[in-house]
Amino acid sequence: QLQLQESGPGLVKPSETLSLTCTVSGGSISIGSVSWGWIRQPPGKGLEWIASVYSSGTTYYNPSLQSRVTISVDTSKNHFSLRLSAVTAADTAVYYCARRPDYLGWRTWGQGTLVTVSS
Amino acid sequence: DIHMTQSPSTLSASVGDRVTITCRASQSIDGWLAWYQQKPGKAPDLLIYQASSLESGVPSRFSGSGSGTEFTLTITSLQPDDFATYHCQQYHSYPLTFGGGTRVEIK
Repeated sequence: QLQLQESGPGLVKPSETLSLTCTVSGGSISIGSVSWGWIRQPPGKGLEWIASVYSSGTTYYNPSLQSRVTISVDTSKNHFSLRLSAVTAADTAVYYCARRPDYLGWRTWGQGTLVTVSS
Repeated sequence: DIHMTQSPSTLSASVGDRVTITCRASQSIDGWLAWYQQKPGKAPDLLIYQASSLESGVPSRFSGSGSGTEFTLTITSLQPDDFATYHCQQYHSYPLTFGGGTRVEIK
């Protein structure tokens, strides 16, 4: 059964870079017609899509975050990653990684990881 | 960007009630809409995709309908396990966008 697991620091200082990795187990990340993405949820608020990547390397970004975000995929390690620079308190959220087959919704999710931006 | 508006934001209901949640898109998304259920402290679970297709393993009391700009999620007989927050999401075009969520609470 395919599983996703987020990893990375739970505390990041303002102005620094948030880095998270999502490790895929139980299946290959190198599958066509599937995108891998990051979605976040500030405490008590709704869901916000951040970015998506295909195993080919094709990427899509939320314009509201695009200037600060990089998503990448490493097929040799079966994981994909998120970098968000110049973070502020507004970036405090639970960050989820997820898998979306084309023409479907986000079908598989990681458990989520809380990232707090604070000095 | 396509803006998604859910209503109501909170819904109070009893076990056995029929519940309907509405999601409106700011422009046509054809049928490229998904619904998710989220419980506190958990990741969302996919319920419905392509507006009306039931995800495998999801109880048949859940159904989705609509196309274009107006969509509904219906729970025909609310069960105790259904008290949660529900989100719609369009995947017609990037950026992918979610509705604000509807919290279904016990009356």
